[in-house]
Amino acid sequence: GAGVSQSPSNKVTEKGKDVELRCDPISGHTALYWYRQRLGQGLEFLIYFQGNSAPDKSGLPSDRFSAERTGESVSTLTIQRTQQEDSAVYLCASSSTLGLAGGGETQYFGPGTRLLVL
Amino acid sequence: AQTVTQSQPEMSVQEAETVTLSCTYDTSESDYYLFWYKQPPSRQMILVIRQEAYKQQNATENRFSVNFQKAAKSFSLKISDSQLGDAAMYFCAYRSLNMRFGAGTRLTVKP
Repeated sequence: GAGVSQSPSNKVTEKGKDVELRCDPISGHTALYWYRQRLGQGLEFLIYFQGNSAPDKSGLPSDRFSAERTGESVSTLTIQRTQQEDSAVYLCASSSTLGLAGGGETQYFGPGTRLLVL
Repeated sequence: AQTVTQSQPEMSVQEAETVTLSCTYDTSESDYYLFWYKQPPSRQMILVIRQEAYKQQNATENRFSVNFQKAAKSFSLKISDSQLGDAAMYFCAYRSLNMRFGAGTRLTVKP
């Protein structure tokens, strides 16, 4: 596709349920990021995938959060045993960045998934 | 750890006037990139402008320009001839080995 896509666009779930959020990056982009944005706040870094390197998971808030990426394609962010505090918009971005030398490449963002935990 | 600070939660500007949004950051790195992103109510993040730290010349994109002060670790965004469509949240971001965003500034444009 022409841009980053995310699904679902909205998700309502009950506390304690697991959810999976999907991100389809721009074809050929080696880097993929997940962010969380709570209402009225900035972007909180969650996890970063770069090619076949081990992902940077330093932003994941708890062990209930995990993410996977197959090669340089789709990524799935999973939240287990959701809590009300997990309610937020989850944004995915991809770029053609490859290491620090290419760190200036622009991140292209998807439209986000709005998660509401009741 | 790198941190990005936007000290203005909200700003307002009259249409056709100029407004400056401030951003400071903290880093021990010498090579990095700085960005301003715009997020309108549609919540789609859009790149406004970017600056490479090794370049002394301030970046400019049409009505948008930055004042990059590396020693002061400051990276402000100037919007000239403000338009109604400029109303949005503006986020300053830092990229070295990782990516960090500021908390954002909500810009209102008055007709």
